[in-house]
Order: sequence, then C-alpha cells, then structure tokens
Amino acid sequence: DIVMTQSPDSLAVSLGERATINCKSSQSVLYSSNNKNYLAWYQQKPGQPPKVLIYWASTRESGVPDRFSGSGSGTDFTLTISSLQAEDVAVYYCQQYYSNTRTFGQGTKVEVK
Amino acid sequence: QVQLQESGPGLVKPSETLSLTCTVSGGSIGINYWSWLRQPPGKGLEWIGYVYYTGSTNYNPSLKSRVTISVDTSKNQFSLNLNSVTAADTAVYYCARTFSADWYFDLWGRGTLVSVSS
Repeated sequence: DIVMTQSPDSLAVSLGERATINCKSSQSVLYSSNNKNYLAWYQQKPGQPPKVLIYWASTRESGVPDRFSGSGSGTDFTLTISSLQAEDVAVYYCQQYYSNTRTFGQGTKVEVK
Repeated sequence: QVQLQESGPGLVKPSETLSLTCTVSGGSIGINYWSWLRQPPGKGLEWIGYVYYTGSTNYNPSLKSRVTISVDTSKNQFSLNLNSVTAADTAVYYCARTFSADWYFDLWGRGTLVSVSS
C-alpha cells in the first residue's frame, strides 16, 4: 500500500493568517502517461462526511473558496489556506487514488489560535 | 442532485456479520463506481472497497477476506457485508461515489455508526 503521511498532526492559526498542511506519499502518485498526480484533499467538519476540496493535486472542486489551494507533485504535496476563516476549522485529509488500494493520510486538525 | 443514504443496524454482535445498504437517489447507479469507507470514532478514514454496476469489485487487501460488496441495479442500491466482526470494526461507515475506478470520492453519504458489542 502507498502510505500517506501528513504534517503537522494539528495546527492553530490566527484568523486571516495562512495555514499550510503537508502530505507525503511513500511512492510517487504521478502517472507519467497523463502527467497527473492522483492526489485529493478533503475537509471534514465534526459530525459530517468528508468533502473534497482539491483533486489532481491542484484542481479546486466547484464551489470551494479560492483561499484553498493545492500544490506539489510526485511524492510531496501541500494544501494551503491563504486566509483562515472561522468556518475552516476542521480536519483535513490527503488521499491517493493512484493505486488500487486507496489510502488516506492520518489527518491534520486545524484550529483558530 | 444525486444523494447517497446508508442504512442498516447500528449494533452488531461480535463474530456476526455487519450488513449495510447504500441507496442512490437522484441518479442511476448504472454509471460510476461505488465505494464503502469507514472511520473509527476519533480516527482516520479507511477505504473498504468498491463495486461497479456490472458487479466487478475491488477490495482493500486488509479486509478482503471478510468483505463482500454487491450491487442491485433494480433497486439502485449497493451493499456491504463484513463478517466475523470484532470491536475493532466499530466505526462510522460511509458510502461514496467515484466517477471511475481511478478517481477521487466526489460524493459521500452522511454515514452511519455501527457499534460491535455483545
């Protein structure tokens, strides 16, 4: 299985400040034939299912605010919230869909400082 | 607007079989791939497996020996059976959709908590 490791496990950011979450995969999730990274980011608020924010590592899902952005390639990826809002308090997960066995990172909890 | 809704018992005894159904409304199950995932209380997400409308499946190797996922196109439903359950199988179980086999989960059900206890 491809192991996904996120860092940090939690972070506290002041409202309006930047939040950065990292995700590292144990092997590349870049498919050379189409040059796409098979990596998604999800947001999960308490009592709710996860919601996709970013797919193909950097494509924002329709309706997702543009303060959310994804970057990276191969094995190293980043989710950035450019200006944290109160409603962004949640747990964020990265997930690879490159291999037949889908795997998630352990999650990063984002709180307001 | 396609929606997913999980249903099934909230309590299962150890060594018995956990059975859940996901009903797809607002669209056809005859396209896309349909997955089950779970999340133990306070923990992360684990993908269990998926089924295509043809009945073809792909399972997480860690659960493969105990899992069966099936589809009923006439009812627009797909189901999960997990046998020989233990307390470690206590979790919120989600059904979810992917556009194709190698795709992200773009639609989720609300989830249902299943507890394993005698």
